[in-house]
Amino acid sequence: NAGVMQNPRHLVRRRGQEARLRCSPMKGHSHVYWYRQLPEEGLKFMVYLQKENIIDESGMPKERFSAEFPKEGPSILRIQQVVRGDSAAYFCASSSSGGLYEQYFGPGTRLTVT
Amino acid sequence: EDKVVQSPLSLVVHEGDTVTLNCSYEVTNFRSLLWYKQEKKAPTFLFMLTSSGIEKKSGRLSSILDKKELSSILNITATQTGDSAIYLCAPTPSGTYKYIFGTGTRLKVLA
Repeated sequence: NAGVMQNPRHLVRRRGQEARLRCSPMKGHSHVYWYRQLPEEGLKFMVYLQKENIIDESGMPKERFSAEFPKEGPSILRIQQVVRGDSAAYFCASSSSGGLYEQYFGPGTRLTVT
Repeated sequence: EDKVVQSPLSLVVHEGDTVTLNCSYEVTNFRSLLWYKQEKKAPTFLFMLTSSGIEKKSGRLSSILDKKELSSILNITATQTGDSAIYLCAPTPSGTYKYIFGTGTRLKVLA
């Protein structure tokens, strides 16, 4: 069963380092969404991508954060120069289409910045 | 600003009890509402609701949307310890792909 896969599951970075989070969507899905979940808070939308295109990045901080979904390979969420406030669980979801189709979530990457 | 409020924030029941979880929303150009179950891992899709008054069922779980009241409920009958989780609702505006998640209801079912 090829569900949404994320790696690594846990990532520890020191302040100032870079974090790279990977997401492989479900088989047949070409739409990827990234969400962030801070402790005791709900999931917050960050960015929506299709292959080689960023469709909506309105939830992503303007600085230090970037995302891509190349023609080949997983989607990558990149956080440069991490700070303690970036510590959170980052979830990726995928859908077969945008719009009315439900999103299926991966297990998340828990980022800890020390 | 779009808003989602879930109640209660947390709930402790015994196995066999029936629970009702509430989700109220204020979303511009509402399109659909989804329910997810989150244990210590990925949120798992439960229901997508787009039409008012039509109940969706899956085993012991059911959900219904009331567009007039801007709300939805999730019912779980004959609860089991495996139902212990955080239940999230996410209304979605039209013209966007963003789900707006509430902070969830934390349900704990005691044996």
